[in-house]
Amino acid sequence: EVHLVESGGGLVQPGRSLKLSCAASRFTFSDYYMAWVRQAPKKGLEWVAIISTSGTTTYYPDSVRGRFTISRDNAKSSLYLQMNSLKSEDTATYYCAREGPRISFDYWGQGVMVTVSS
Amino acid sequence: DIQMTQSPTSLSASLGETVSIECLPSEGISNDLAWYQQKSGKSPHLLIYATSRLKDGVPSRFSGSGSGTRYSLKISDMQPEDEGDYFCQQSYKYPLTFGSGTKLEIK
Repeated sequence: EVHLVESGGGLVQPGRSLKLSCAASRFTFSDYYMAWVRQAPKKGLEWVAIISTSGTTTYYPDSVRGRFTISRDNAKSSLYLQMNSLKSEDTATYYCAREGPRISFDYWGQGVMVTVSS
Repeated sequence: DIQMTQSPTSLSASLGETVSIECLPSEGISNDLAWYQQKSGKSPHLLIYATSRLKDGVPSRFSGSGSGTRYSLKISDMQPEDEGDYFCQQSYKYPLTFGSGTKLEIK
């Protein structure tokens, strides 16, 4: 079955940067759009970014546009999220997700925690 | 942005009961609606996409329906493993948005 494993989370001070990675396996990574979705503690889900198969097209919500950058390396079957100018409200578990039919998310990683605090 | 109003916030059901969760988008989304289940401490799992299409492997007691600005998820014959949080998500327009979630517990 599809396997997605996130890494790179941790505790970071406000204003600093962090880069998350997602290693994908057991499917043809380059055939799928990929996304990041986050969930603040005890809260709901928030979509963070999505990237096309080639990496040339990306979309973000206003809450992270200009601070976060999604990218991918198809040769390495890896997805990334570069997060700059982090704020306390970015504290969340970040999930890597594969785009499924009709821009649903049909497979999710186990998530990685990011805590932004001084 | 399309706001997704989900209700109820929580509900409890007995084993074998049928429950429904509703999602009201702030504008029409042309059936671009998915439902997810998230068990405690786990990542979400896709149940339904395109309003009513079950993901492979999802039990047939889950069903989805709706159109326009009113969508619902129905769980028939409630089972212990159905306990968890449920979220709707629209994919009609960016930014992709989720409902606030429904906590479903066994009574």
